Amino acid sequence: DTAVSQTPKYLVTQMGNDKSIKCEQNLGHDTMYWYKQDSKKFLKIMFSYNNKELIINETVPNRFSPKSPDKAHLNLHINSLELGDSAVYFCASSQSIGTGSSGNTIYFGEGSWLTVV
Amino acid sequence: QKEVEQDPGPLSVPEGAIVSLNCTYSNSAFQYFMWYRQYSRKGPELLMYTYSSGNKEDGRFTAQVDKSSKYISLFIRDSQPSDSATYLCAMSASNFGNEKLTFGTGTRLTIIP
Repeated sequence: DTAVSQTPKYLVTQMGNDKSIKCEQNLGHDTMYWYKQDSKKFLKIMFSYNNKELIINETVPNRFSPKSPDKAHLNLHINSLELGDSAVYFCASSQSIGTGSSGNTIYFGEGSWLTVV
Repeated sequence: QKEVEQDPGPLSVPEGAIVSLNCTYSNSAFQYFMWYRQYSRKGPELLMYTYSSGNKEDGRFTAQVDKSSKYISLFIRDSQPSDSATYLCAMSASNFGNEKLTFGTGTRLTIIP
């Protein structure tokens, strides 16, 4: 069973469109995250939720809106897509808010490759 | 200046060699240090975790932290082709609360059989 699964894995879309990426974790974790990895492999947090509550909101354009219907799901909706939004978006989860200690490991999904043309 | 600097490589070494991967950082508040391994087209997975200064060993992997120099290292002994991946260092100031990981840009490593 995949621990953190996200869909779609690949997404090619035109500028101006609105798209969503869905994420689900079956680990029973309390905290979920969205990270963005750019073409140079730089991985940066966007959002984190703890028990459906927004905890971290990095300076991300408000075109990006996360939604957590329950603690096992964290979806990312992007409005008015721009060329610069092309990146790999990783969903992740951990047992509690934390930074990946051996007892609090952050588990990443396999990523969603978004290409805006 | 980025908070965390990491040589992107690529780094190619022959099988069996000792690999040394490094990161430097500027934020003296960082206390928790991690190394993640990321295979191509996959998500990062936690490889090593250390708190504050010192060494930690796990099989062929050794993580070192020198807070006085703001320098962390990952050593891989007896490197294998399966170690070929991108290695990302990550760090944070605390392990709870409203904390986040700050990643390096990753070093792409290839082990040549």
